[in-house]
Amino acid sequence: EAGVTQSPTHLIKTRGQQATLRCSPISGHTSVYWYQQALGLGLQFLLWYDEGEERNRGNFPPRFSGRQFPNYSSELNVNALELEDSALYLCASRPDRGQLFFGEGSRLTVL
Amino acid sequence: AQRVTQPEKLLSVFKGAPVELKCNYSYSGSPELFWYVQYSRQRLQLLLRHISRESIKGFTADLNKGETSFHLKKPFAQEEDSAMYYCALSPSNRDDKIIFGKGTRLHILP
Repeated sequence: EAGVTQSPTHLIKTRGQQATLRCSPISGHTSVYWYQQALGLGLQFLLWYDEGEERNRGNFPPRFSGRQFPNYSSELNVNALELEDSALYLCASRPDRGQLFFGEGSRLTVL
Repeated sequence: AQRVTQPEKLLSVFKGAPVELKCNYSYSGSPELFWYVQYSRQRLQLLLRHISRESIKGFTADLNKGETSFHLKKPFAQEEDSAMYYCALSPSNRDDKIIFGKGTRLHILP
């Protein structure tokens, strides 16, 4: 069974640019979570999508947005990039209830 | 507001010594608690969940509702236990998000 896949693995952008990160959940999982893992800050909840709808979002500015497609894959968009957006972005999928299954993450570096 | 607190950023323990990673939570309902682990160069993965009441890799965790804690314990540390450990809370309210603590880095000394 294929796990959660994320792309790209690494992404380098400059301040003010936009970044798009993608996530494919495990087959059959309808729920996708996005977390930001910055050094020393643990996993900060960003967004949660389920059945194509945004169910909840964390304390991040509106320039962090995303969507979930009919096939349950998801993308995270970060506009007007700032230096402090540099982090590992983790996607996780989940069956109806229970544990999260994580991808390997996308490392975003903002110069 | 729901919150997960892991008070130790770093815990260094000698091989063979007991390990206890602390996790306290704040939530008004009856949550489900998890421990996730991230070994070097590997993805974050589930270690154990409180409803399973099982031991994984020698680790156990008991949910103490009175103290709102879910500490992770292992009687004898092994070098391969060195990793980042995260405590997570899944709320009973289906519309609430899953949140994580800031994590504890466990370093097993030889």
